[in-house]
Amino acid sequence: GAGVSQSPSNKVTEKGKDVELRCDPISGHTALYWYRQSLGQGLEFLIYFQGNSAPDKSGLPSDRFSAERTGGSVSTLTIQRTQQEDSAVYLCASSTHGGANEQFFGPGTRLTVL
Amino acid sequence: AQKVTQAQTEISVVEKEDVTLDCVYETRDTTYYLFWYKQPPSGELVFLIRRNSFDEQNEISGRYSWNFQKSTSSFNFTITASQVVDSAVYFCALKLAGAGSYQLTFGKGTKLSVIP
Repeated sequence: GAGVSQSPSNKVTEKGKDVELRCDPISGHTALYWYRQSLGQGLEFLIYFQGNSAPDKSGLPSDRFSAERTGGSVSTLTIQRTQQEDSAVYLCASSTHGGANEQFFGPGTRLTVL
Repeated sequence: AQKVTQAQTEISVVEKEDVTLDCVYETRDTTYYLFWYKQPPSGELVFLIRRNSFDEQNEISGRYSWNFQKSTSSFNFTITASQVVDSAVYFCALKLAGAGSYQLTFGKGTKLSVIP
């Protein structure tokens, strides 16, 4: 079946602009995660959604970052007033639930802030 | 807080050699899960294996094998008879089993280059 899909695959933006990154999880997966991968910090957890419950936002680095998940499926990660340090690959993952099950990752969105 | 250390930043081997990727983890929890993921040049993280903290039995899958030792907090990954297609960055990760524990804590990764 189809895996996790993300769009766009690449995004170049200017400092100060807002960006939206989209994630479409595997059908039937109730848990959805966002991670950020950068050279300096490695892979960092950002936010977790389980079904329609309130998300765990403990990994979001600042209030410029927000995410939503509509209808328990597609998720959008929004970064407002982008900064150069936001440049990274943003990875989305999903799993059947938030327990021990392995997380399946999408191809990522490479964000470059000029 | 938990931590995963992959001390080997980069490894190069010649095709058909065996190679072991090291992973050491830190956690105060007694129940947790350990994972290995592969990230080929295409960029997508590929799940390889999950182990439970209460199951120290080693596992073999084709040319891949994993050695889990709680006594040394290690979960090492060995590739036997390496192939060029094994070239990738490999990540070890830890996930706690307690309520409210959702995230994977990743190591920095080990870049493996298999030279033909």
